Amino acid sequence: QKEVEQNSGPLSVPEGAIASLNCTYSDRGSQSFFWYRQYSGKSPELIMFIYSNGDKEDGRFTAQLNKASQYVSLLIRDSQPSDSATYLCAVNLRSTGNQFYFGTGTSLTVIP
Amino acid sequence: KAGVTQTPRYLIKTRGQQVTLSCSPISGHRSVSWYQQTPGQGLQFLFEYFSETQRNKGNFPGRFSGRQFSNSRSEMNVSTLELGDSALYLCASSLDGTAGNTIYFGEGSWLTVV
Repeated sequence: QKEVEQNSGPLSVPEGAIASLNCTYSDRGSQSFFWYRQYSGKSPELIMFIYSNGDKEDGRFTAQLNKASQYVSLLIRDSQPSDSATYLCAVNLRSTGNQFYFGTGTSLTVIP
Repeated sequence: KAGVTQTPRYLIKTRGQQVTLSCSPISGHRSVSWYQQTPGQGLQFLFEYFSETQRNKGNFPGRFSGRQFSNSRSEMNVSTLELGDSALYLCASSLDGTAGNTIYFGEGSWLTVV
């Protein structure tokens, strides 16, 4: 079983719609949770992070964490064509130091 | 504030050779970690360095090694290159690697082994 699992997609949504991306993780000791966006040929860039159960909002993005279900999600409201990218879910297993495990990513296409 | 800088950006090596990649973290960041990204395996953790010491290590063979200098700059080395080592190698830095520290990636070094 992989440490972090994501639906690889592809996921297509029309411009202006809500895109919902999901992620599950296997290690209950995971400390912190991250979403990165990666455009083709580029390196991952941080969208947001979440540490506590519940929702965290940042502009058009909302991350949701449910530790009991070992589930993390990312909602993108008012999706734009520029949001078309691969979205990577990541967890840090360590309380000291960094050892991030990444999902394989969900490819999102926003159709104008 | 300058981001994470990696050199070289692109390189081609022959099987059996070795390669050294360099990373300069964001100013003030003391933790540097390295990742390998391939289409088949995705992003995989190689190792993390903090205060010139390897603090965490992933499941890669001993051909993959690294080090960190007193100015937090880091290098990784891959010896006896194999075709399967062709990948994007990403360096990421964070403040000190305590729980919750975010990591920020450099643009990566694209390695092709022929």
